[in-house]
Amino acid sequence: NAGVTQTPKFQVLKTGQSMTLQCAQDMNHNSMYWYRQDPGMGLRLIYYSASEGTTDKGEVPNGYNVSRLNKREFSLRLESAAPSQTSVYFCASSGGIRTQETQYFGPGTRLLVL
Amino acid sequence: SQQGEEDPQALSIQEGENATMNCSYKTSINNLQWYRQNSGRGLVHLILIRSNEREKHSGRLRVTLDTSKKSSSLLITASRAADTASYFCATDPNDYKLSFGAGTTVTVRA
Repeated sequence: NAGVTQTPKFQVLKTGQSMTLQCAQDMNHNSMYWYRQDPGMGLRLIYYSASEGTTDKGEVPNGYNVSRLNKREFSLRLESAAPSQTSVYFCASSGGIRTQETQYFGPGTRLLVL
Repeated sequence: SQQGEEDPQALSIQEGENATMNCSYKTSINNLQWYRQNSGRGLVHLILIRSNEREKHSGRLRVTLDTSKKSSSLLITASRAADTASYFCATDPNDYKLSFGAGTTVTVRA
């Protein structure tokens, strides 16, 4: 099993450009999450999806949109990138519908917005 | 806002020594988890301790939880170079979202 996969691994954008970060899991998990990690800040939850067909805002949702395409895939879209969105983005999944269960993380996407 | 805070921010130890790091949190929890992150990689789950548990072991890891003090500790015994990583505690405030601290960076010197 690949676990949680993310594409791309690295991306450089100019201010105002848009892009979609892709995430897929092959563990048949119900819940999926998008986090961003900034130096000294730990991980902050952007959006999550407790089950297929549902999405909810996390701590820092502004500037992002998500789509739970099916049970396997959860994408994160930046419509108009800003330098403040330079960060490392992690996707995670967990088996149940409650977010406090053990989460499995992807390898991350490093995004630089110029 | 971050629910958990790790202490110290950074720790440097000799191979073979024990490493201890602490996590304090603000509100009541259902469980507390510890994760490890190697440089440039995603987080890996280490151990979960429930609010009704006081101590839990997994290999060379020992986790304690004191709900009266709203704190937890992670002890790594007989550290190895491969233990060099950042360690994060994660708590679940009652709105069912995991909240991560800023982490403790551990460096194990050969």
